[in-house]
Amino acid sequence: TQLLEQSPQFLSIQEGENLTVYCNSSSVFSSLQWYRQEPGEGPVLLVTVVTGGEVKKLKRLTFQFGDARKDSSLHITAAQPGDTGLYLCAARLDNNDMRFGAGTRLTVKP
Amino acid sequence: EAGVAQSPRYKIIEKRQSVAFWCNPISGHATLYWYQQILGQGPKLLIQFQNNGVVDDSQLPKDRFSAERLKGVDSTLKIQPAKLEDSAVYLCASSFGQRTDTQYFGPGTRLTVL
Repeated sequence: TQLLEQSPQFLSIQEGENLTVYCNSSSVFSSLQWYRQEPGEGPVLLVTVVTGGEVKKLKRLTFQFGDARKDSSLHITAAQPGDTGLYLCAARLDNNDMRFGAGTRLTVKP
Repeated sequence: EAGVAQSPRYKIIEKRQSVAFWCNPISGHATLYWYQQILGQGPKLLIQFQNNGVVDDSQLPKDRFSAERLKGVDSTLKIQPAKLEDSAVYLCASSFGQRTDTQYFGPGTRLTVL
């Protein structure tokens, strides 16, 4: 069983549509991060959330950390082909180790 | 600022052979990580170095995997002998200092074991 469950596993949408992807767990985390990974590249950090209920915006991307610090969501408004990639959530455990989810593979078609 | 460099980018070997990967972290970054990313999964931490000392290698299969970071800069990860299930992308990352610092990833080495 994965510590972090990401859904959906795959998502294919048209340019201009909105979407939300989720990262869920039964564990409580001190912080949670979202990364985007493009083919042939390493993950790139998008945001870190640390406070329950926190909402952070990065242009068309909105990140939310659940009140209980067990889950998070990423909402993209008016998706563009450049948003295509693998979106990974990662949580820092009490011993400071980092665990990644399996990711959501997003394809935005022009 | 130059990013994390890794080589080779691709490697194909037969099972039971040996292979080594090289990583050059961002200049000044004391902490270096090696991750394994199997197709369809997220990265899994194999080993973490702070300067030239090992901080965490609890998930490193020590019967076949080894890593070193001589002089606290470059690092090599070795697999000997390789198994089919070692096919994956091996990612190196570095951060300035403590574990809470942002990790910067290299492009990875894609290993295929036949």
